[in-house]
Amino acid sequence: QSVLTQPPSVSAASGQKVTISCSGSSSNTGKNYVSWYQQLPGAAPKLLIYDNNKRPSGIPDRFSGSKSGTSATLGITGLQTGDEADYYCGTWDSSLSGGYVFGTGTRVTVL
Amino acid sequence: QVKLVESGGGVVQPGRSLRLSCAASGFTFSSYAMDWVRQAPGKGLEWVAVISYDGNNRWIAESVKGRFTISRDNSKNTLYLQMNSLKVDDTAVYYCARVADANPGSSPSDYWGQGTLVAVSS
Repeated sequence: QSVLTQPPSVSAASGQKVTISCSGSSSNTGKNYVSWYQQLPGAAPKLLIYDNNKRPSGIPDRFSGSKSGTSATLGITGLQTGDEADYYCGTWDSSLSGGYVFGTGTRVTVL
Repeated sequence: QVKLVESGGGVVQPGRSLRLSCAASGFTFSSYAMDWVRQAPGKGLEWVAVISYDGNNRWIAESVKGRFTISRDNSKNTLYLQMNSLKVDDTAVYYCARVADANPGSSPSDYWGQGTLVAVSS
């Protein structure tokens, strides 16, 4: 059961921009760094953004992240067909039981 | 380069047990926390469990608590997931992933294996 809420899908034309929201609570997104993962069809997830807005080596600057309060946002500019994938946010939950939590996932479609 | 290879998946009847392994290479295994994440067919990612670099601290998801156990053998560079009392709802691809720190927390899972399929069916 995901405790982080994302829109099920977003879409835009090639070359355009999309944003994906990730809404949590004070015990998870409001307190800890947020990461974003990309999962291409049939593949394992891949780290895209960490510590709210940092990109691992090799990730193009078309991908960006931000966080404000208990919500985080992933932005993709210059949309390409190769960006069609599922995107998940994730963070640590500092409630009593603890543990990592993922968002519900968002499918990006390039029109 | 970092490589994570899961094994041990398969078809199992409800109530039975299965142990997954994850062989790690290309990095100092004993310096990183490791976790398991699963994905049911057509569904999203679900975090299962995480273990600290030395095995002394573990967290496990409520959905599997009391049935699953995470462990590691740093001498063999291997991560394990012991799954007991399996249920149909445990059917999923199970991924092991490296946590980008010695201890769990906000640090992301920065490298992932390709996953192993566990199908629980009578």
